[in-house]
Amino acid sequence: DIQMTQSPSTLSASVGDRVTITCRASQSVSSWLAWFQQKPGKAPKLLIYKASGLVSGVPSRFSGSGSGTEFTLIIGSLQPDDFATYYCQQYDSYPLTFGGGTKVEI
Amino acid sequence: EVQLVESGGDLVQPGGSLRLSCAASGFTFSDHHMDWVRQAPGKGLEWVARTRDRLNSYTTEYAASVKGRFTISRDDSKNSLYLQMNSLKTEDTAVYFCSRVGKDYGGTTDYWGQGTLVTVSS
Repeated sequence: DIQMTQSPSTLSASVGDRVTITCRASQSVSSWLAWFQQKPGKAPKLLIYKASGLVSGVPSRFSGSGSGTEFTLIIGSLQPDDFATYYCQQYDSYPLTFGGGTKVEI
Repeated sequence: EVQLVESGGDLVQPGGSLRLSCAASGFTFSDHHMDWVRQAPGKGLEWVARTRDRLNSYTTEYAASVKGRFTISRDDSKNSLYLQMNSLKTEDTAVYFCSRVGKDYGGTTDYWGQGTLVTVSS
């Protein structure tokens, strides 16, 4: 199975900050990497697909990059609505696997 | 509007069985692969199973942790997805989400239901 490791697990930030979250895969997943945002008690929301594709309707302050084993999610200027937990997911091979999550808090 | 509504979650004893359902609307259900993903209380996301669409012969994939115990199925005539869970263990306690595999994203999920809670405890 492909292991996905996110860092940091928790991130303290302020409104307006630039935030960077890293996801590492234990083997190459090419560009088959997605990022999800989840708020407490809610379902996850797809933000980024295929490593860098921005889902329609997602603010442009979110961006993704990387390929192979190293990926990054950047929030360009953190907004109050962005305080949430973020997960990466590889969908290169089965079983699909998620990272452990990064909680972005004030 | 795409909607996915899960049901069937309950309190069940270890070793017991439960069947989850997911009612889909707002899209052509038969055209999409579908997933179940779970989240244990206070923990991260864990992919559970996938069923592909009719064009792909409804083939399935499972996480190792549930293979042989859980069965994913679908009824395209009822726009419904199911998860039959047998031999339940305490570690299966989680919120179970039904999710749609998007057509435009290469194989990840673009819509999720709100989840149904399964508690396995004596």
